Amino acid sequence: GENVEQHPSTLSVQEGDSAVIKCTYSDSASNYFPWYKQELGKGPQLIIDIRSNVGEKKDQRIAVTLNKTAKHFSLHITETQPEDSAVYFCAAGGFQKLVFGTGTRLLVSP
Amino acid sequence: NAGVMQNPRHLVRRRGQEARLRCSPMKGHSHVYWYRQLPEEGLKFMVYLQKENIIDESGMPKERFSAEFPKEGPSILRIQQVVRGDSAAYFCASSPWGDSGNTIYFGEGSWLTVV
Repeated sequence: GENVEQHPSTLSVQEGDSAVIKCTYSDSASNYFPWYKQELGKGPQLIIDIRSNVGEKKDQRIAVTLNKTAKHFSLHITETQPEDSAVYFCAAGGFQKLVFGTGTRLLVSP
Repeated sequence: NAGVMQNPRHLVRRRGQEARLRCSPMKGHSHVYWYRQLPEEGLKFMVYLQKENIIDESGMPKERFSAEFPKEGPSILRIQQVVRGDSAAYFCASSPWGDSGNTIYFGEGSWLTVV
């Protein structure tokens, strides 16, 4: 089955800096790669996703890149703000089931 | 995650009791997923259901756990004879029918504490 690894587990940046979170996956059949943001005591919120026929996708300050050959994908947040502080999860899968990474705790200091 | 409704949000049960968690998917969604999140850990897939059918229950513990999604009403995750290790956040998610590479949307979760 699919296995997703996520790094780093914690990331501290200064406000305005960029943050990068990386994930690798094992199943070459996976074709869908979403990213979720989870704040304390709340459910995961979808922030961006990418499908296997696309190499890069951007939405304002957030971008995701996918390298299918190497089986890795990354989340890039530019101009970070304190409200970006949360736990971020990557996931990989296809129809029916997603496998999640273990999460990255991002702390943005003012 | 607006639209996926879970209740109760918080539930306390004594060891040996039963816990029932309910999930109403977003309007128009006919696929429901349950995930479990232990403290400081990621989300672990439990079960995937469509109306009146369990499609994939490969993540469900073999005993004490069951799930259903009836033709009418919410999906139910049932945990019998709870033990302390069942304490976790249980998240329901839903997606629309037939969306390959499903975009799934999560509810706010049900936090189960077993004392």
